[in-house]
Formats: sequence, C-alpha cells, structure tokens
Amino acid sequence: GQQLNQSPQSMFIQEGEDVSMNCTSSSIFNTWLWYKQDPGEGPVLLIALYKAGELTSNGRLTAQFGTTRKDSFLNISASIPSDVGIYFCAGQVLNQAGTALIFGKGTTLSVSS
Amino acid sequence: ETGVTQSPTHLIKTRGQQVTLRCSSQSGHNTVSWYQQALGQGPQFIFQYYREEENGRGNFPPRFSGLQFPNYSSELNVNALELDDSALYLCASSFPTPGQKGNTQYFGPGTRLTVL
Repeated sequence: GQQLNQSPQSMFIQEGEDVSMNCTSSSIFNTWLWYKQDPGEGPVLLIALYKAGELTSNGRLTAQFGTTRKDSFLNISASIPSDVGIYFCAGQVLNQAGTALIFGKGTTLSVSS
Repeated sequence: ETGVTQSPTHLIKTRGQQVTLRCSSQSGHNTVSWYQQALGQGPQFIFQYYREEENGRGNFPPRFSGLQFPNYSSELNVNALELDDSALYLCASSFPTPGQKGNTQYFGPGTRLTVL
C-alpha cells in the first residue's frame, strides 16, 4: 500500500541531544500528524498540523507542515530516556470520501543515558 | 489514554478461520477507522465507518468487512484467515464529520492477531 518516505529509519542518541526526523510524499496532504508508538501499544498523537507552513510545539517537540504540503519534520529537543519509541508521520487527505491516514514506516529512536 | 478501547487484546486463530475484532470509540466520536499494522511497518488503512456506513476503503480484499453500531462502536470481521493476516489491528476514532479540518484520529491499543 501507499506509504510516506520517513527518515531516518533509526537513530541512536545520547540523553540531552536534539533529534530531527522528516517525512516526504509525492502527494499533497491537507493535514500532517506525528504519532509515537511504544511496543505493544497503539500510536499516540503528538502533534497535528493543519496549514502549510504551520509550526507547532508540544513541550520539547516541534513540528512543521512544509510549504509544498508534501513534507513535514519533527524535532525533539533535549531528549530523555522516555522519548524511546517509534515515531510515525501520517498524512491525511480531506477532499475525498473517507479520511484515511497514510503512514510512514517509522523512525525508531533509542536514547542512552 | 485516548478513551478508545479494543477487544480482545490478543487472539490466535488457524488458517481458514474467521475472526471478529471489536472497538469502542471515544465518547462523542462518530467515526471509526480500522488499520492493519504488520511487524516493522506503519499502519495500513483498511476502511472507515461514519454513522454506520462504510465511508472509504483501502486496498484490502472483501473478506475484510466491518460494521458500525448506533452507539458508534465498531467490529472488524476477517473471513478465510491467511497467514499474512497476522498483524496488530488498530482502530481509531474521530470527530467531527469526516472531510472537515481537525478530524484527528485517536488510536486504541490494538488487537494482536496471530494466524497459524
């Protein structure tokens, strides 16, 4: 099925470092979302972006909706051990029947203390 | 906690059997979407239900079917199970009406299905 291009696939960082991950698509999306998933759990919404160019923060997390509407990035500042998990980007189209989310393959984040 | 619940948590079936998975949406949410997440992959959209009607479908065969009830809870049914159906099945609820800005989906914990 269709998926977004998410990179990097995995990251190994030290506690306190900043992290950046991004997502690109050949298609335009109306909404970009970032989720975090822990093992055996469902994805938890971190940030939702609704307008091209929008920059939104949620604590140490900052995400931006690219101006072309085909990309988004997520930054995590001053990482801590509980940031460990899999981060997914998802794009949503709102101009067709249904509002399916199209997901990236995820970025696995490991944080060493 | 998103308020979206799913049952059962885990399920083991054999090839050819049928399975029903259940989802209760967050209070006030009238739309339920189902996703299949294979190991190491992102979730893949199966279908969406809005006010008891299917409102969009991904690239899944007809043996994947669903229902939504008047209280907005939902079921996912899979017939003639195949080994490749082994995955985490996620449901997500949302509001308001699909197609409007802000239709953010909140996920349940998932049901882990193993087909032997």
